[in-house]
Amino acid sequence: AQSVTQPDIHITVSEGASLELRCNYSYGATPYLFWYVQSPGQGLQLLLKYFSGDTLVQGIKGFEAEFKRSQSSFNLRKPSVHWSDAAEYFCAVAARSNDYKLSFGAGTTVTVRA
Amino acid sequence: EPEVTQTPSHQVTQMGQEVILRCVPISNHLYFYWYRQILGQKVEFLVSFYNNEISEKSEIFDDQFSVERPDGSNFTLKIRSTKLEDSAMYFCASSVPGDYGYTFGSGTRLTVV
Repeated sequence: AQSVTQPDIHITVSEGASLELRCNYSYGATPYLFWYVQSPGQGLQLLLKYFSGDTLVQGIKGFEAEFKRSQSSFNLRKPSVHWSDAAEYFCAVAARSNDYKLSFGAGTTVTVRA
Repeated sequence: EPEVTQTPSHQVTQMGQEVILRCVPISNHLYFYWYRQILGQKVEFLVSFYNNEISEKSEIFDDQFSVERPDGSNFTLKIRSTKLEDSAMYFCASSVPGDYGYTFGSGTRLTVV
């Protein structure tokens, strides 16, 4: 079955430390891959997306993600977290097999401690 | 930067009442969507809309739901007779052909009491 998995429900990280959020997908072919961020009470903001080409994708707010086909993963990283990065992060995929509808993972809540 | 605008930001309604959630997509976008996020759960697809008709809908999108683009700018989601389980955050999104990184609005939090 097609799925998007974010194994970590909640991550706490110190300000200035690095952050990595995991995302794994299960689809027949390489889907289009996205990371969205949702701050409390706010909508979904697109951080970055991968369609093809360079497997390391740069996004907004200093985030990057790496597509690894062999691991069916698209992990999100940030070298140095700021307090404003506290939010919920969603991995999402769109695939031809799913008529390119966005399917979301369950989300990872990031808490930043001072 | 262009935005998708949703109104109202919060709505409280009594069970059985009709609600209309409004969205103004980005002006040059051609595909429109509604998604729903029940508190603590995943964001779920409801419906997609293109060329003035529904292109796809999920199992959630039953006869109680309808969408409309009444005037070429607004995109509305109507729930005819709300149920308690319709309480959720409803997100509108729009996109251009070939770009699946939709732009989402900030959502309408619907509370059915």
